[in-house]
Amino acid sequence: NAGVTQTPKFRILKIGQSMTLQCTQDMNHNYMYWYRQDPGMGLKLIYYSVGAGITDKGEVPNGYNVSRSTTEDFPLRLELAAPSQTSVYFCASNILGSAYEQYFGPGTRLTVT
Amino acid sequence: AQKITQTQPGMFVQEKEAVTLDCTYDTSDPSYGLFWYKQPSSGEMIFLIYQGSYDQQNATEGRYSLNFQKARKSANLVISASQLGDSAMYFCAMREDGSSNTGKLIFGQGTTLQVKP
Repeated sequence: NAGVTQTPKFRILKIGQSMTLQCTQDMNHNYMYWYRQDPGMGLKLIYYSVGAGITDKGEVPNGYNVSRSTTEDFPLRLELAAPSQTSVYFCASNILGSAYEQYFGPGTRLTVT
Repeated sequence: AQKITQTQPGMFVQEKEAVTLDCTYDTSDPSYGLFWYKQPSSGEMIFLIYQGSYDQQNATEGRYSLNFQKARKSANLVISASQLGDSAMYFCAMREDGSSNTGKLIFGQGTTLQVKP
């Protein structure tokens, strides 16, 4: 199993541009999440999904959109990129139930200039 | 509101000694899970240990143990016999398992641990 994969690893965007961060998991997990990590800080939840076709906002959803058309994929769309969206983005997935940890992808480092 | 607090921005420990990283939490949900993750300089998130709110015993995983004091709402990570490879950022996280059980994690601000040779 590859686990959770994210593409791209790095990206530089100009202000106002748009892009999609890709996330795929091959563990058949229903639950998927997008977090962002600003420098020196903890992770904050952007959006999450409890299954195909079901998504909901997290703590910091403004400026982002998501979709979940399949169990495996959970892309994050940035519209009109702003410098405040410079961050490292992590995708994660898990099975719910006690003691099951979230599996994280390697992250995407995004710079908006 | 749910919250995780890590009050130690940075810690130093001598190699082979034990170190405790502090974590306090706040939640009104009686059912929850507490996690510790390690983030080395390469950036990936590595799961270390889990403690459920109803677990009677403190969790242990190799050199990692979780000192769970429910009444004080604390979940400190203890690393025994520190190694140079333990130098990293450590995050405490909480998952509420009650009626709105979505698996969302709430993270603390993190503690940077430096192990000295």
